[in-house]
Amino acid sequence: DVKVTQSSRYLVKRTGEKVFLECVQDMDHENMFWYRQDPGLGLRLIYFSYDVKMKEKGDIPEGYSVSREKKERFSLILESASTNQTSMYLCASSSPGGGPQETQYFGPGTRLLVL
Amino acid sequence: SQKIEQNSEALNIQEGKTATLTCNYTNYSPAYLQWYRQDPGRGPVFLLLIRENEKEKRKERLKVTFDTTLKQSLFHITASQPADSATYLCALDSTGGGNKLTFGTGTQLKVEL
Repeated sequence: DVKVTQSSRYLVKRTGEKVFLECVQDMDHENMFWYRQDPGLGLRLIYFSYDVKMKEKGDIPEGYSVSREKKERFSLILESASTNQTSMYLCASSSPGGGPQETQYFGPGTRLLVL
Repeated sequence: SQKIEQNSEALNIQEGKTATLTCNYTNYSPAYLQWYRQDPGRGPVFLLLIRENEKEKRKERLKVTFDTTLKQSLFHITASQPADSATYLCALDSTGGGNKLTFGTGTQLKVEL
């Protein structure tokens, strides 16, 4: 079974702090994604990566950066946390190509509260 | 830009009935459409994928239809059970490919005894 793990389930941070959210997948997937999920807005793509050291902006990259130094690990960084970044953060991975490889496998999510 | 619409109102049905959820999209012709289930406080879990050249797909009690003319997908759960209560998300492959997905906001299903 594919397993995607996220470093924390719940996190409370102060405004201005630098926040690291880590995601690890064990299925050797090339693609990894970071989303945030807010009520009424659904899942929105922040950043994604197709390969090690490669990253591309999603729909809402402002205020975020990412790092992918190893294939299995994709980190989301909030450079200076703000209250409007309070949200549920979800990491996902997938493998390119046809068949069921288009599906995305999600981690359990990190609920971040910025005070 | 791509727009996906799912009924934001919760759907309440009785156990044993068939639940039907709708996903409409505009401004795009997706190569495939996927349905995911999400339980409270958890990440979405993949259920079914249907491609643009497929009209219908089934998996156990689940059935998905894809009408590219109407730009609509219907998701059916037959013989529904309380354990089917969850939020169901539809997702389309995003413009530009690369396995990116655009998700709808989801419809909450409540199956009552």
